[in-house]
Parts: sequence; structure tokens; C-alpha cells
Amino acid sequence: RKEVEQDPGPFNVPEGATVAFNCTYSNSASQSFFWYRQDCRKEPKLLMSVYSSGNEDGRFTAQLNRASQYISLLIRDSKLSDSATYLCVVTPQGGGGFKTIFGAGTRLFVKA
Amino acid sequence: DTGVSQDPRHKITKRGQNVTFRCDPISEHNRLYWYRQTLGQGPEFLTYFQNEAQLEKSRLLSDRFSAERPKGSFSTLEIQRTEQGDSAMYLCASSTSERNSPLHFGNGTRLTVT
Repeated sequence: RKEVEQDPGPFNVPEGATVAFNCTYSNSASQSFFWYRQDCRKEPKLLMSVYSSGNEDGRFTAQLNRASQYISLLIRDSKLSDSATYLCVVTPQGGGGFKTIFGAGTRLFVKA
Repeated sequence: DTGVSQDPRHKITKRGQNVTFRCDPISEHNRLYWYRQTLGQGPEFLTYFQNEAQLEKSRLLSDRFSAERPKGSFSTLEIQRTEQGDSAMYLCASSTSERNSPLHFGNGTRLTVT
């Protein structure tokens, strides 16, 4: 079983749609959680951290369920510019980015 | 812009040649990481430095790979006797040592081994 698993997609949605991605992780001692966005042939960029209480940044909402060991990302009112790959990122207890594990990513295509 | 910078952006080399990549992290960041990414996969951890000390190396990092960060600032990643399987995007990232500090990536070096 992979340490971080994501549905690879692709998700094809029309503009204005709401789309949700899930990610599961295997290490119950995981400490820090993030969502990164990666455009084609570009580097990953931090989208948002994920906090235990859930957090929102504009159209994006991230949630963490420690009991079930999954993380979610909700995008509301999708824009064409949201088309990208979304990477789920987990750092085990003890921190230190060196143990940071990336999922393989979920591809999103937003169509006009 | 004082983000993470990597050089070169692209490198094409013949099998068996040596290549070296450079990474300049964000100046306030004491941690520096190298990752490798192939098509359809997330970045895979290669190695990590805190200041000048290399504290962790992945099993992915064969003895043909070596990384240095001599003065705790920029880092180099060298691949000796390149193989076609080394073709990938090599990403450098940096962070502070604060808890929950996210990684900030450079734009990567794309290596093609022919």
C-alpha cells in the first residue's frame, strides 16, 4: 500500500462546478498536511496547509480526518485556471521535510 | 524574486556522462531537499540537508548520485555515469526548520539521458 494515495483522475468539470478530491495516508503518526498545485511541466507550489479544524482560503476548503486518515480538498466555483494537478502531501511525526511524502496527484481539467 | 533557483533548466546528456545540477535555496531557509519526479508521479525524496550537514538519503539515491552543500547555502547534485532511467525532473526545495514549515520548490532541472 502506498503511503499517500490519491485518485489520479482526471476530473473533467465545467466552469462553476464544485469538485472534491480525497487523499488517504497510511502513517497514523503523520503530523503535517498540505495541498500543492502543479501545472504541467512546472514545479509544485503550495496551495494550502491543512489544519485539524479544517480551513478555508477563498474558494478552497481543506479538511483533515485523523480517525479515518484522509484529507480532502474542495474547490467551489471552478475556474479555467484551476486546471492543474493537485498533490496531497504528508509529513510524519517528527516533522522535517525530509520525510515529506507526496501523493501521485489528481488531475483536474476545468472546461468552458 | 528571492525564491529557490535551479540551474540548468534543461540538460540533455548521453548515457555514461556525468552531470551536475545546482540549487540556490531561499536565503533564510536552513533546510534543503532534492526530489526527483517522473511523469504521472509525485516528487520522490532523494536527500536532505540541514545547513551543511546531509542528514538523510533515500534508498533511491544510488552510489552514482552525490549531493553537497558545502557552506550551508547552495547545493549541487551530481549524477555519475548517467543511465536512461535517470531521465526525470530534479526538483530542489527549501524550508525553515520550524514545525509544519512547507517546502518551497525551485522550477526544477529536466534531465534527458539519450
